[in-house]
Amino acid sequence: AQTVTQSQPEMSVQEAETVTLSCTYDTSESDYYLFWYKQPPSRQMILVIRQEAYKQQNATENRFSVNFQKAAKSFSLKISDSQLGDAAMYFCAYYGSNYKLTFGKGTLLTVNP
Amino acid sequence: DTGVSQNPRHKITKRGQNVTFRCDPISEHNRLYWYRQTLGQGPEFLTYFQNEAQLEKSRLLSDRFSAERPKGSFSTLEIQRTEQGDSAMYLCASSSTGVGDSPLHFGNGTRLTVT
Repeated sequence: AQTVTQSQPEMSVQEAETVTLSCTYDTSESDYYLFWYKQPPSRQMILVIRQEAYKQQNATENRFSVNFQKAAKSFSLKISDSQLGDAAMYFCAYYGSNYKLTFGKGTLLTVNP
Repeated sequence: DTGVSQNPRHKITKRGQNVTFRCDPISEHNRLYWYRQTLGQGPEFLTYFQNEAQLEKSRLLSDRFSAERPKGSFSTLEIQRTEQGDSAMYLCASSSTGVGDSPLHFGNGTRLTVT
């Protein structure tokens, strides 16, 4: 079974600074997808960024980018120019041949003004 | 695209009562998922449907839980004889099949409190 580990329960960053959230996963599959989801307090889970395992190029979505290291099974999220609205719980998730998402326990990001 | 809709948003019930939640997926999505999320944790998979067929159920889904998706449209999740341990946020998500598989789109969830 696949597992996803987020080793940072909480992180904080100053507004306009850069922060990196860590994620590692375990799988025996070669073809899969990785996601970062954002969940603001009492609000909906929102997709931040997606990476296909067969693509070597790291995904980027505006201020959000990933560092995907397939051999190391590592998938970190970098948030540049952090904004107050980035404060949320961030979940790393794995999607493989069983057609379901497996989530990590999440990292609570605080953005300080 | 009106998004995934879940009702009710909140449900408070007494232990031993039955509750039913509803999820309306994005209309063109043929996969529908139920997850459970407790405070400070990531969502845990409960079950999923492809069209009207329930393809997988987690061991977390005890005999008191039942999910249906008649006609492959909306879905219901029923919990019978609720227990305090059932208190959680129940999330529904949908996606479409196809080349590359689409990411899951989540609803706002139903927060269940069992007293």
